[in-house]
Amino acid sequence: RKEVEQDPGPFNVPEGATVAFNCTYSNSASQSFFWYRQDCRKEPKLLMSVYSSGNEDGRFTAQLNRASQYISLLIRDSKLSDSATYLCVVTQEGGSYIPTFGRGTSLIVHP
Amino acid sequence: DAGVIQSPRHEVTEMGQEVTLRCKPISGHDYLFWYRQTMMRGLELLIYFNNNVPIDDSGMPEDRFSAKMPNASFSTLKIQPSEPRDSAVYFCASTTTVYTYNEQFFGPGTRLTVL
Repeated sequence: RKEVEQDPGPFNVPEGATVAFNCTYSNSASQSFFWYRQDCRKEPKLLMSVYSSGNEDGRFTAQLNRASQYISLLIRDSKLSDSATYLCVVTQEGGSYIPTFGRGTSLIVHP
Repeated sequence: DAGVIQSPRHEVTEMGQEVTLRCKPISGHDYLFWYRQTMMRGLELLIYFNNNVPIDDSGMPEDRFSAKMPNASFSTLKIQPSEPRDSAVYFCASTTTVYTYNEQFFGPGTRLTVL
């Protein structure tokens, strides 16, 4: 079983739609959580960190559920430019630091 | 700052040849990571360095792979001999610390094709 799992999609949604992705992780000792965005044939870039209290950045909201070991990303009012792959990242701190990436969820926003 | 710099951007080689990928991290970043990305396996951490010292190389697939960081501004990932299954995009990333919520900055990647 992979440590970090995501639904690969693709999620195909119209402009203006609200879409949500989940990511589950298996290691309960995980401490830091992130969403990265990767455009086609580009490098991953940080979208947002996911804190225990949840956080919001404009149209994007991230939540962490430690009890159920998952994080979520909600995108409201989808734009064409949101089309990308969204990577969930989980890390452990202390000792050997190994960030574990999910395989990514593909989002396609169409007109 | 120019960001993380990788070279070459594309590399096409034949099986059995030696391949060397290069990375220049962002100045002041103490941590450097090498990743490999394929459709089948996603993004995998190969090795990371802290202050030029390799900390964890458990992700390095086999002895054909080696990585060095001779100074704070340069790292190499070498594959010798290369095989078709090594075809992937190799990313280098750097960050200042791993002990807080800290962003990793990725280079543009090297797209390697082994024929």
